[in-house]
Amino acid sequence: DGGITQSPKYLFRKEGQNVTLSCEQNLNHDAMYWYRQDPGQGLRLIYYSQIVNDFQKGDIAEGYSVSREKKESFPLTVTSAQKNPTAFYLCAVLGPNYEQYFGPGTRLTVT
Amino acid sequence: AQSVSQHNHHVILSEAASLELGCNYSYGGTVNLFWYVQYPGQHLQLLLKYFSGDPLVKGIKGFEAEFIKSKFSFNLRKPSVQWSDTAEYFCAVNAPNFNKFYFGSGTKLNVKP
Repeated sequence: DGGITQSPKYLFRKEGQNVTLSCEQNLNHDAMYWYRQDPGQGLRLIYYSQIVNDFQKGDIAEGYSVSREKKESFPLTVTSAQKNPTAFYLCAVLGPNYEQYFGPGTRLTVT
Repeated sequence: AQSVSQHNHHVILSEAASLELGCNYSYGGTVNLFWYVQYPGQHLQLLLKYFSGDPLVKGIKGFEAEFIKSKFSFNLRKPSVQWSDTAEYFCAVNAPNFNKFYFGSGTKLNVKP
C-alpha cells in the first residue's frame, strides 16, 4: 500500500553486523507487523506492535529486535545473533477490519 | 500453535481454466480467514476475507472462497482464470489471538496465455 514505506529496497551486510530495516506508515493505524518471507515458507511473524511503546514476539523473534517509539514507525533490527538473516522482510499495518496492508519489502542479503 | 496448510505449491493452468486452491487450518474455534495475493513486482494485497455469516465469500477480480468449518478449509476458487491472475496466493488465519496472523506457505499460480 502506498501508505507504507520500507527502506531500503535492497540491503547488503557483512556477517556479524547488525542492520536496521525501516518501516514508516501514514495510515494512522495502531497495529504494525514484521514478517519474514522465504521461498516455500510463506510469511512468518517476527514481531508485532499493537500500540506505541508496546510490542510482542512473533513465532521467529530470536535474533531480531524492534522498537515502537512513534505510531508511524516500527523499525526492525536484525542482529548478528540471527543465524540465517538473508531473506525478504515485509512490514504490515492492520486496518480497522483486520485486513493487513503491506509495504514493498526489503530484501536483505548477508554475506 | 495455529498452522495453515496450502498443499498446492505450484499450479499451472491455461487461460479460461477453472481454479481451486486449497487451504486448511488447524484451530478448532472461531477463526477469521483471509486470502492475499502477490502479483509479480507488487505488494501483497487482500483478495477476500471471511469473518462470519455466508460461508461463500466473494472478493476482487472474480475470486471467491468457501469456508467449510467441518473440514477446517477455506479454498479459493475462480471459474475462469486469466493470464493476469499469475501471482502467488497466500491463505491466512488469525486465531485464537486475533492480533496474530498465520500464513500458509503460498501457492504460485502460472497462467499460460
